[in-house]
Amino acid sequence: EVQLQQSGPEVGRPGSSVKISCKASGYTFTDYVMNWVKQSPGQGLEWIGWIDPEYGSTDYAEKFKKKATLTADTSSSTAYIQLSSLTSEDTATYFCARSGAAPFAYWGQGTLVTVSS
Amino acid sequence: DVVLTQTPVAQPVTLGDQASISCRSSQSLVHSNGNTYLEWYLQKPGQSPQLLIYKVSNRFSGVPDRFIGSGSGSDFTLKISRVEPEDLGVYYCFQATHDPFTFGSGTKLEIK
Repeated sequence: EVQLQQSGPEVGRPGSSVKISCKASGYTFTDYVMNWVKQSPGQGLEWIGWIDPEYGSTDYAEKFKKKATLTADTSSSTAYIQLSSLTSEDTATYFCARSGAAPFAYWGQGTLVTVSS
Repeated sequence: DVVLTQTPVAQPVTLGDQASISCRSSQSLVHSNGNTYLEWYLQKPGQSPQLLIYKVSNRFSGVPDRFIGSGSGSDFTLKISRVEPEDLGVYYCFQATHDPFTFGSGTKLEIK
């Protein structure tokens, strides 16, 4: 069974960075691209970008190129997203989602990031 | 960027009736490889979104055949027949043909 277990809620101060993890199990980690999606409170969904864990190649939506950094550790089957220079606009739930039949065939449970001083 | 316009914003339904959601794209979603990467997701309250339909009309594993996706080019529809309580939530269309990938703004399926 494919499972994506995300790390717990984070609180970050304005201007700081946070790093969220997404630990994959139930499949070969390097066989599938991992996407990340943002959902602001009460709002819709935004695609942030994807990483290919096998090659480390990435693609980002333009809006997130200076905000998010995607990495993957094949030894632990874990994908990461780091969000930098936090502002109130970054307060949101962040989801990892594994590709398959579609880019988001399987989803993590989401990680809430709150930016607060 | 491709804009996906979903209508209606909210769809009140009676349980057991049919619901229909439209998703129109600002440009054709036919990829150069001939595929059309238009998907439908359902986000139930307090949950992560879940994949329902991929490539316009293909139901994902475990999705009931009450969910039917159709359309072509830039005009797509999701029909849900015999709506059940577990179908309630927000439906999003999504395109992965053009970079950046984009979501529609969502349609809330609610009880009338």
